[in-house]
Amino acid sequence: EAGVAQSPRYKIIEKRQSVAFWCNPISGHATLYWYQQILGQGPKLLIQFQNNGVVDDSQLPKDRFSAERLKGVDSTLKIQPAKLEDSAVYLCASSPWSLGEVYEQYFGPGTRLTVT
Amino acid sequence: DQQVKQNSPSLSVQEGRISILNCDYTNSMFDYFLWYKKYPAEGPTFLISISSIKDKNEDGRFTVFLNKSAKHLSLHIVPSQPGDSAVYFCAASANQFYFGTGTSLTVIP
Repeated sequence: EAGVAQSPRYKIIEKRQSVAFWCNPISGHATLYWYQQILGQGPKLLIQFQNNGVVDDSQLPKDRFSAERLKGVDSTLKIQPAKLEDSAVYLCASSPWSLGEVYEQYFGPGTRLTVT
Repeated sequence: DQQVKQNSPSLSVQEGRISILNCDYTNSMFDYFLWYKKYPAEGPTFLISISSIKDKNEDGRFTVFLNKSAKHLSLHIVPSQPGDSAVYFCAASANQFYFGTGTSLTVIP
């Protein structure tokens, strides 16, 4: 079974530039998550999709971050414009879904973003 | 506000001995708890989980204990092996997942 794929693995940009990350979840997984992990901290949820609908985006800085999940499969996360404090690893994860069940998440390798 | 805390940033253990990683939480609504293991340059991988209706779950060398009254969970690894050296995150779920800051475990051969 193929895992969660993410690209690019590394990205360096200057502040005020734009950047986009791509995620391909495990086939059949209805739920997709984007996390931000700042150095020395645990992953923090940015947005959660159920198929192509947003379940939770309460911690997404919507003035600069946006995300979409096309056709309920792949997803992109965009930052525009980037700030220095956006430097972090961006993790995508996916999981199955059924009503009333809690499933562990399968994580991709992450994209390490450095904003200079 | 950090709802899930791992107060030990690092832990060193001799090979063959027990490793005990601890995690505390503040939200009594959490109903599911998980441990993830992370190697450098990789995403976290799921290790073991426990529902709030249980107080213990075991999977091979890994056992998770949950003390709801103390809002505390722990991961025991017995015996510890050098390949267990990684960063361990605990996570708790109440509609969304909240992660601790991680404990870096080093198992010394």
